[in-house]
Amino acid sequence: SQQGEEDPQALSIQEGENATMNCSYKTSINNLQWYRQNSGRGLVHLILIRSNEREKHSGRLRVTLDTSKKSSSLLITASRAADTASYFCATGGYAGTASKLTFGTGTRLQVTL
Amino acid sequence: EAGVAQSPRYKIIEKRQSVAFWCNPISGHATLYWYQQILGQGPKLLIQFQNNGVVDDSQLPKDRFSAERLKGVDSTLKIQPAKLEDSAVYLCASSRPQGNEQYFGPGTRLTVT
Repeated sequence: SQQGEEDPQALSIQEGENATMNCSYKTSINNLQWYRQNSGRGLVHLILIRSNEREKHSGRLRVTLDTSKKSSSLLITASRAADTASYFCATGGYAGTASKLTFGTGTRLQVTL
Repeated sequence: EAGVAQSPRYKIIEKRQSVAFWCNPISGHATLYWYQQILGQGPKLLIQFQNNGVVDDSQLPKDRFSAERLKGVDSTLKIQPAKLEDSAVYLCASSRPQGNEQYFGPGTRLTVT
């Protein structure tokens, strides 16, 4: 079953603009992660935010987490054509002592020149 | 470090046939995951191993799917017999002991005709 739902399902912007994707989830989490998937590089981890954190930055990425609303957002600033991909949020918990992820449905981002 | 290796990359079979996928995780990664990703959806966890023990197989269709991880390293996922709805990309991932980030292989695209 899918834990998270991303919004919007698809987003088309021009190079240089900012892109914002939202993720809502249902159960309590240990952490929330964002992954990118494109045909060239497969599924790649972007950033992790822990349940006790509210905001995190990594390069052009900014992630926020609101555990009271069970939601997260991913902001990509100054987008590039190479950012064209599908973006997934994944809620993190544990199976035994091992990390376990439940992925959302994804946002397809298209960045045009 | 070398990434997660998977083979084959593509497989086409007829329904009711059997198929097997192989995964070699990153060296030293104790946890190994198999996901099924249907077109347009996020990855869905099928089975999770920690070393060579199963920690979660709640979403594995056990009447037709099986997986093993010999000696806590390589893993094989088998489908027998395949159904049309098994057409998907099968992703293998691994993570470090106590790690939260997962590293994904390139996937095997299965088409069942």
